[in-house]
Amino acid sequence: EVQLVESGGGLVKPGGSLRLSCTASAFTLSDAWMNWVRQVPGKGLEWVGRIKSKTDGGTTDYAAPVKGRFTISRDDSENTLFLQMSSLKTEDTAVYYCHSGRSWGQGTLVTVSS
Amino acid sequence: DIVMTQSPDSLAVSLGERATINCKSSQSVLYSPNNKNYLAWYQQKPGQPPKRLIYWASTRESGVPDRFSGSGSGTDFTLTISSLQAEDVAVYYCQQYYSTALTFGGGTKVEIK
Repeated sequence: EVQLVESGGGLVKPGGSLRLSCTASAFTLSDAWMNWVRQVPGKGLEWVGRIKSKTDGGTTDYAAPVKGRFTISRDDSENTLFLQMSSLKTEDTAVYYCHSGRSWGQGTLVTVSS
Repeated sequence: DIVMTQSPDSLAVSLGERATINCKSSQSVLYSPNNKNYLAWYQQKPGQPPKRLIYWASTRESGVPDRFSGSGSGTDFTLTISSLQAEDVAVYYCQQYYSTALTFGGGTKVEIK
């Protein structure tokens, strides 16, 4: 069974940085288009960005609110997806999920607060 | 970006009755070359990640009860729960995956009347 597990969330001050990880089992991340989606607790789902599969070029796309501040990458040897977040704002506070197709991780909470 | 508009925001349905959720996209999510609608439905319960119920607008995920069905094409879609069960209490989201930027509807909260 495919399993995605996010980690790296926590409390960070505005302007700070954080790197989230998403590790996969029974699933090769580089074969899939992988997304990061976030959700403010109690609110709706917001797409953050995506990295295409290796065969489709591995290029990335980002939502406007995070473009230039967030970077998605992948370590194929570790079968791990990353979300590097910098210049964090209070409005980036959310649960961050990695997601592809029917598969979602359990999410990791990022809180941006002074 | 394609805007997804769901209605209603919430609904309360008696056990065993039908629940209908609507989703409208700001532009068509039907890809003509393969005649597929790039539309999915998710169920989310408190403290859990979303669970995909339906993809390609009407294809049910393996293991999803057949009381859940999806319909529609182009810009207008519907998720129907034919006979609401207690375990169906959740928030339901539509999602389009036609464009580069995935977008979701605002969610519909389904409760028991």
